[in-house]
Amino acid sequence: QKEVEQDPGPLSVPEGAIVSLNCTYSNSAFQYFMWYRQYSRKGPELLMYTYSSGNKEDGRFTAQVDKSSKYISLFIRDSQPSDSATYLCAMSLMRGGNKLTFGTGTQLKVEL
Amino acid sequence: KAGVTQTPRYLIKTRGQQVTLSCSPISGHRSVSWYQQTPGQGLQFLFEYFSETQRNKGNFPGRFSGRQFSNSRSEMNVSTLELGDSALYLCASSLGQGGRFSYEQYFGPGTRLTVT
Repeated sequence: QKEVEQDPGPLSVPEGAIVSLNCTYSNSAFQYFMWYRQYSRKGPELLMYTYSSGNKEDGRFTAQVDKSSKYISLFIRDSQPSDSATYLCAMSLMRGGNKLTFGTGTQLKVEL
Repeated sequence: KAGVTQTPRYLIKTRGQQVTLSCSPISGHRSVSWYQQTPGQGLQFLFEYFSETQRNKGNFPGRFSGRQFSNSRSEMNVSTLELGDSALYLCASSLGQGGRFSYEQYFGPGTRLTVT
């Protein structure tokens, strides 16, 4: 079983929809949680970075961390065709420095 | 501020050869991490360098090695290439020290390596 599980999709939604992307993890020692967006043939782009439990909002994006359930989410409001990409969750230990453990990524398509 | 740059962007090599990939981090960033991305395994951590020292290591064979220079630029080397080494190799940079947000990692565009 992988340390971080993520539904690979593909997930297809109409423009303007609210998108919910999720990851579960097994290692309770993870403290830092990130969401990356990756377009085809590009490197991952950091979207959200959160520490421990709680919510963080940035524009149309909201990241949610529930450490008691070992569950993290990314919500995208008013989704746009330009949001079509693969979304990767990643996490690291408190003292793990930069060793990120990634989910497999969820492919999202926002249709006109 | 310029982003993370990686060279070359594309490489084709033959089994048994060796390859060196280069990464220049964001100015001021002292940590460079390397990852391998494949369709089957996703993104996997190779190693991290901070102040010219390897600080973390993933579960890859010794054929994969790296180093970091005093200007924080980093190289990774793969010796005796195998077909399974075909992948997108990504490097990421971060400040690496000093506060909980110093570990935000920013990725380069990657080097796509094909082994034939």
